[in-house]
Amino acid sequence: AQSVTQLGSHVSVSEGALVLLRCNYSSSVPPYLFWYVQYPNQGLQLLLKYTTGATLVKGINGFEAEFKKSETSFHLTKPSAHMSDAAEYFCAVSPNSGNTPLVFGKGTRLSVIA
Amino acid sequence: KAGVTQTPRYLIKTRGQQVTLSCSPISGHRSVSWYQQTPGQGLQFLFEYFSETQRNKGNFPGRFSGRQFSNSRSEMNVSTLELGDSALYLCASSFPGAGELFFGEGSRLTVL
Repeated sequence: AQSVTQLGSHVSVSEGALVLLRCNYSSSVPPYLFWYVQYPNQGLQLLLKYTTGATLVKGINGFEAEFKKSETSFHLTKPSAHMSDAAEYFCAVSPNSGNTPLVFGKGTRLSVIA
Repeated sequence: KAGVTQTPRYLIKTRGQQVTLSCSPISGHRSVSWYQQTPGQGLQFLFEYFSETQRNKGNFPGRFSGRQFSNSRSEMNVSTLELGDSALYLCASSFPGAGELFFGEGSRLTVL
């Protein structure tokens, strides 16, 4: 069975500082991995995904994530935080068949301080 | 291309009532999934439909049910509502096997 652990339910950074949101996963088979963002009163929007191939994945809004199999991690980073990045971020995993439901982490709320 | 559309966006019900939520997927997507989101439990998978057949089901009581129509539109129903059913219900559509889900804005249910 797959599972996702997001370290830190709340992360606070200053505007312009590095954003690092941590995600560790458990999967018995090679996983598909995803990061989603949710703004208040909205649904989830896909930021980026890893399926196969290059382990450094670039997404929208300047975010990127690196798949590290040895560490079972898929941390999300952004070099310079912007006020508009304040939102809830979810990491998700699915077996590489892509045919079974995504399992989501509990989410990390990102606050950006001016 | 229109996104996933969920109706209604907000609704208030009382305990014991039932509710039906509707979801129209992105055109061409034949797979529809439903998730319940609450502050305490996070995002929990309810069920997935593909070509009018339930393909996967989460760990929810039988009060939660769903269906999919031939045009891929989906509905979910919750009967005998409980206070704990208050949540944001999210629908998502996808191409089978693609992995990523495309979410609607959700239906926020409040049970009084």
